Amino acid sequence: DVKVTQSSRYLVKRTGEKVFLECVQDMDHENMFWYRQDPGLGLRLIYFSYDVKMKEKGDIPEGYSVSREKKERFSLILESASTNQTSMYLCASSGQDEKLFFGSGTQLSVL
Amino acid sequence: RKEVEQDPGPFNVPEGATVAFNCTYSNSASQSFFWYRQDCRKEPKLLMSVYSSGNEDGRFTAQLNRASQYISLLIRDSKLSDSATYLCVVNPLLAAGNKLTFGGGTRVLVKP
Repeated sequence: DVKVTQSSRYLVKRTGEKVFLECVQDMDHENMFWYRQDPGLGLRLIYFSYDVKMKEKGDIPEGYSVSREKKERFSLILESASTNQTSMYLCASSGQDEKLFFGSGTQLSVL
Repeated sequence: RKEVEQDPGPFNVPEGATVAFNCTYSNSASQSFFWYRQDCRKEPKLLMSVYSSGNEDGRFTAQLNRASQYISLLIRDSKLSDSATYLCVVNPLLAAGNKLTFGGGTRVLVKP
């Protein structure tokens, strides 16, 4: 089975802190994604990557950056966390067939 | 108009009944379509891909109507465990890479 692992299930941070969310997949997938999910707004794409060291902006990249130094790892960085970044963050990966496999999510609270 | 739209529901379904719901998409060039299922406080999981000829997986049937730009999901003989939010996913092929677009989800509640 494909496994996508996110480093934390719950995270509480303070406004202004730098936050790292880590995601690792074990299926040698080319594509990796970061989404956030908020009630009433659904899943929104923040950034995605289709190769090592490559990144593309999604629909809501402001306030975020990403890093993909190795194929299996895709990190989401909040340079200076703000309260409006409180959300459920979901990492996903896919191969050429476009089928997404998600991690179990990180519920981030920014106080 | 949103790229991918779904009726948020909830669809209240008696156990054993059939329920069907649609998802409309705005870009006629879209090529790939999927249904995902998301349980409360869990991550989305792939339910099935949607093919041009339609496809069936047990009690679930997915259809694609290109002329009217919608896909549908039908659940027969509903089980209590079918209660979930069903997310429609479309690849609009607007940009490089696999930029799949999610609908807002349709909530289904199966009741005894």
